[in-house]
Amino acid sequence: DAKTTQPTSMDCAEGRAANLPCNHSTISGNEYVYWYRQIHSQGPQYIIHGLKNNETNEMASLIITEDRKSSTLILPHATLRDTAVYYCIVRSLNNAGNMLTFGGGTRLMVKP
Amino acid sequence: EAQVTQNPRYLITVTGKKLTVTCSQNMNHEYMSWYRQDPGLGLRQIYYSMNVEVTDKGDVPEGYKVSRKEKRNFPLILESPSPNQTSLYFCASSRRDRVRDTGELFFGEGSRLTVL
Repeated sequence: DAKTTQPTSMDCAEGRAANLPCNHSTISGNEYVYWYRQIHSQGPQYIIHGLKNNETNEMASLIITEDRKSSTLILPHATLRDTAVYYCIVRSLNNAGNMLTFGGGTRLMVKP
Repeated sequence: EAQVTQNPRYLITVTGKKLTVTCSQNMNHEYMSWYRQDPGLGLRQIYYSMNVEVTDKGDVPEGYKVSRKEKRNFPLILESPSPNQTSLYFCASSRRDRVRDTGELFFGEGSRLTVL
């Protein structure tokens, strides 16, 4: 599966939108982009995923560039409880091990 | 409530004393997996199972065993724990239906293991 690059950390003011970027320049045609987050030492939590179209759910929006080499996770109104490490992962559904390779992620700090 | 349950959540043990970390899911998922998380190394996969009686090695299987006798359970066994297995462990599960598979992994709350 392709590798991703994310900033190590970001700050965001409470109530503002948090935009978390991810580069995945080696992504292949059958690979999806997934986002998970991990609050403190809890189990990672699925947020959203997409292939090439932008996606939105109750938690966030995912914007994928037309060339699919990068994407942005948007938390529209960040709260203090959104403080977490956010992981961007690319994965093919043909991955026999169903393995998600978690990199370092982005540590998002939401400040009052 | 759909969930993945791990036990124990916290354990301190000594080198060489066999232990088992249990994992159970109530979502009828075919796929289950174990990860360990260490500072600076992120989450690394230990073993996974595609279905009952089917298991395979992940990235860091040394020193661990697993079994999948029932669909809901996937215990992680440390036959002779060593200090380098001190870590935070996560069990995860997901569907494996190729049509409906979203790739969403459901994680347990974690088991913090310390081997002295």
